[in-house]
Amino acid sequence: DTGVSQDPRHKITKRGQNVTFRCDPISEHNRLYWYRQTLGQGPEFLTYFQNEAQLEKSRLLSDRFSAERPKGSFSTLEIQRTEQGDSAMYLCASSKRGGTSGLYNEQFFGPGTRLTVL
Amino acid sequence: KQEVTQIPAALSVPEGENLVLNCSFTDSAIYNLQWFRQDPGKGLTSLLLIQSSQREQTSGRLNASLDKSSGRSTLYIAASQPGDSATYLCAVSPGSEKLVFGKGTKLTVNP
Repeated sequence: DTGVSQDPRHKITKRGQNVTFRCDPISEHNRLYWYRQTLGQGPEFLTYFQNEAQLEKSRLLSDRFSAERPKGSFSTLEIQRTEQGDSAMYLCASSKRGGTSGLYNEQFFGPGTRLTVL
Repeated sequence: KQEVTQIPAALSVPEGENLVLNCSFTDSAIYNLQWFRQDPGKGLTSLLLIQSSQREQTSGRLNASLDKSSGRSTLYIAASQPGDSATYLCAVSPGSEKLVFGKGTKLTVNP
């Protein structure tokens, strides 16, 4: 297994169009996270799944955004009616419960999908 | 609300120098702290994870420390190399879920 993968790596779209991104986590990881990163900033949390259940959504995730993780494997993030402010790097990460603490420890990130909205 | 600050925002050093990157967080109730490296236009590479019960972690030329009571962590890089040039991000986990990130320190190591 080579880590978290994301597709596409780059997406250019026109304002108003819908886009969908895919993330494949590390195979034994049952938690999957989405973050958004704009230029010069650190990543900001959007949402996360434990298996197929979406457990938390940030207020950054407007009603134009929807994420799914059918069957608890890969996840998709869809943005409807894109706006120029949606231009950013969308990062996916995964983790698993580990050690005696039972906490979800280290998060491993994919290469990201860079979205440009014209 | 947890906030993470990284100082300095940018740092330029000659090759071979030892250096320290700083990270501070406002709420000491964290589960862990993670340091990442990010190359331009790329994803994040995990460098070190420190659990809340730990004081430090080491990996090769990297050493990270954690002082929860003061809300601080440092990343020490020994004998820096040009290949260490990247942005270094600090992130804390308020629970065992999301990470809260700083804006990063952009490091340039000059040959």
